[in-house]
Amino acid sequence: AQKVTQAQTEISVVEKEDVTLDCVYETRDTTYYLFWYKQPPSGELVFLIRRNSFDEQNEISGRYSWNFQKSTSSFNFTITASQVVDSAVYFCALSEDRDDKIIFGKGTRLHILP
Amino acid sequence: DSGVTQTPKHLITATGQRVTLRCSPRSGDLSVYWYQQSLDQGLQFLIQYYNGEERAKGNILERFSAQQFPDLHSELNLSSLELGDSALYFCASSVVGTSGINNEQFFGPGTRLTVL
Repeated sequence: AQKVTQAQTEISVVEKEDVTLDCVYETRDTTYYLFWYKQPPSGELVFLIRRNSFDEQNEISGRYSWNFQKSTSSFNFTITASQVVDSAVYFCALSEDRDDKIIFGKGTRLHILP
Repeated sequence: DSGVTQTPKHLITATGQRVTLRCSPRSGDLSVYWYQQSLDQGLQFLIQYYNGEERAKGNILERFSAQQFPDLHSELNLSSLELGDSALYFCASSVVGTSGINNEQFFGPGTRLTVL
């Protein structure tokens, strides 16, 4: 069965600290897609990244980086030098190749304290 | 701005009532998806339409129904509303309705439904 687990319900860090959000997924498919979305207090879902299961290269985009490890079924997200504007709920998600629906984790609420 | 529009932005209604949420996909997108975000269930997939036809169903209650019209906009109908139906309802759209590299979904801003 497909499942996404974000064990960290809530994290608080002081501004400029690095923070890693964990994501573990379960799927029976060999082809699948992993996502991270950000939901700021305003409520919209902001797409951050999509990674397919055949691409295990880590990705860096500015202060954001993602570590995909198939061996541990993890797709972790790191924010370097966090800023107050990074405060939001972050969702990890999975989509299998058999259909298009996106399965979301429960989310991690991140507080960046000034 | 994702290009997906949803109306209304907010909706307040009473238990037992029926409401309709509307979604206009991005230009050129044939698939529309509905998701519900509630405190209890988190963000969950409800239903997908592709070019007017139902393509996939998730945890959608029988009191809920959806359709996609020839102009590709979609409506989600919620009836016999209960307090627990209060949630943020997202619509998303994508180019195609089959799996593959084109399954990137673009989310609308959501409709916040409050049932009193």
